[in-house]
Amino acid sequence: GAGVSQSPSNKVTEKGKDVELRCDPISGHTALYWYRQSLGQGLEFLIYFQGNSAPDKSGLPSDRFSAERTGGSVSTLTIQRTQQEDSAVYLCASSFKVGTEAFFGQGTRLTVV
Amino acid sequence: KNQVEQSPQSLIILEGKNCTLQCNYTVSPFSNLRWYKQDTGRGPVSLTIMTFSENTKSNGRYTATLDADTKQSSLHITASQLSDSASYICVVSANSNYQLIWGAGTKLIIKP
Repeated sequence: GAGVSQSPSNKVTEKGKDVELRCDPISGHTALYWYRQSLGQGLEFLIYFQGNSAPDKSGLPSDRFSAERTGGSVSTLTIQRTQQEDSAVYLCASSFKVGTEAFFGQGTRLTVV
Repeated sequence: KNQVEQSPQSLIILEGKNCTLQCNYTVSPFSNLRWYKQDTGRGPVSLTIMTFSENTKSNGRYTATLDADTKQSSLHITASQLSDSASYICVVSANSNYQLIWGAGTKLIIKP
């Protein structure tokens, strides 16, 4: 596609439920990043995929968070047993390779009630 | 600790006026510094990226400066337009390039 696509754009879920957020990167981009942005805060790095290498998961805040990238393209961020503090905008970005410009999707606004 | 601090937190100016946004960082080892523009409800969009050896870089009405000695950067916007209303975010990367350290941003409002 023309840009990074994320779905859903908005998600409201009940505390304790699991959610899946999807990211379609730009075709041909080998690097994919997930960030979280809480209201009025800077972006918080979550996880990074580069090609077929093992992902860098050092930013995931707890073991309730996981992500995978199938076939080197689409990525899914899963949050299990959601908590109210998980409410934020989750942004996905992709780049041709590490160090090159990252293009962001519009994000998924997650609200845990 | 790697940190990026931006000032002011918010700024309101009249259309047509100029403004300068500031960024101070304590990131080491430094790789590059980027300025992003984030419209409400949208993902960030890159404006400029500067490496250690670059002092200034322009993108239309946006001019970014970098002083690697004092670890300061600024983003100057000339002849502001209503469409410049957005958050402007300073991002610094260390040599592990994918881990970008993000500032909290400056919220800029342009009034007619």
